[in-house]
Amino acid sequence: GEDVEQSLFLSVREGDSSVINCTYTDSSSTYLYWYKQEPGAGLQLLTYIFSNMDMKQDQRLTVLLNKKDKHLSLRIADTQTGDSAIYFCAEITPENNAGNMLTFGGGTRLMVKP
Amino acid sequence: EAGVAQSPRYKIIEKRQSVAFWCNPISGHATLYWYQQILGQGPKLLIQFQNNGVVDDSQLPKDRFSAERLKGVDSTLKIQPAKLEDSAVYLCASSGGGARGYTFGSGTRLTVV
Repeated sequence: GEDVEQSLFLSVREGDSSVINCTYTDSSSTYLYWYKQEPGAGLQLLTYIFSNMDMKQDQRLTVLLNKKDKHLSLRIADTQTGDSAIYFCAEITPENNAGNMLTFGGGTRLMVKP
Repeated sequence: EAGVAQSPRYKIIEKRQSVAFWCNPISGHATLYWYQQILGQGPKLLIQFQNNGVVDDSQLPKDRFSAERLKGVDSTLKIQPAKLEDSAVYLCASSGGGARGYTFGSGTRLTVV
């Protein structure tokens, strides 16, 4: 099964807050990331958090990390129609004799209704 | 700085044909990755290069997929022969290390008919 799991779909109204959740299994994760993917485009890094942090805020984005429960969330304040996209949670797990490997969840499709 | 460049953007081939994708990473990035993203799924790592050496190719279907990174810069990913289930977006990413992770290209969308 997936090492990183996300719910498939989230629908919110414009101006509301969106919360996208993610669970991961590897306790050795060093960094956790949120990427955004718009239709036909590559992956855009939104934000990341180091595993020894609980929270990180970056403008409209707030990342919360519960390391005990291996739970990561992304809150988008004042969600806009331009935020409609697929959001991927990803973790970096150090691999022996290798560079860091990024493992992705299946993605959450966020739909913002006007 | 220029981003990760990939070509072609789209490719349609018949099953059993061959196809090759090209990636030019960000200048100075030592690590290069190829990911496969099947529709509706998250990207899955195929192969990772550090300079011109392979670090991890455990998920690469080596009977039909091959990749190389000559001179530690550009990389090509080849599929021969293609199967219907290879239809996906092939994403290249590069990393210079550090917390900011990877920079992804826009991908090549492959359709095998």
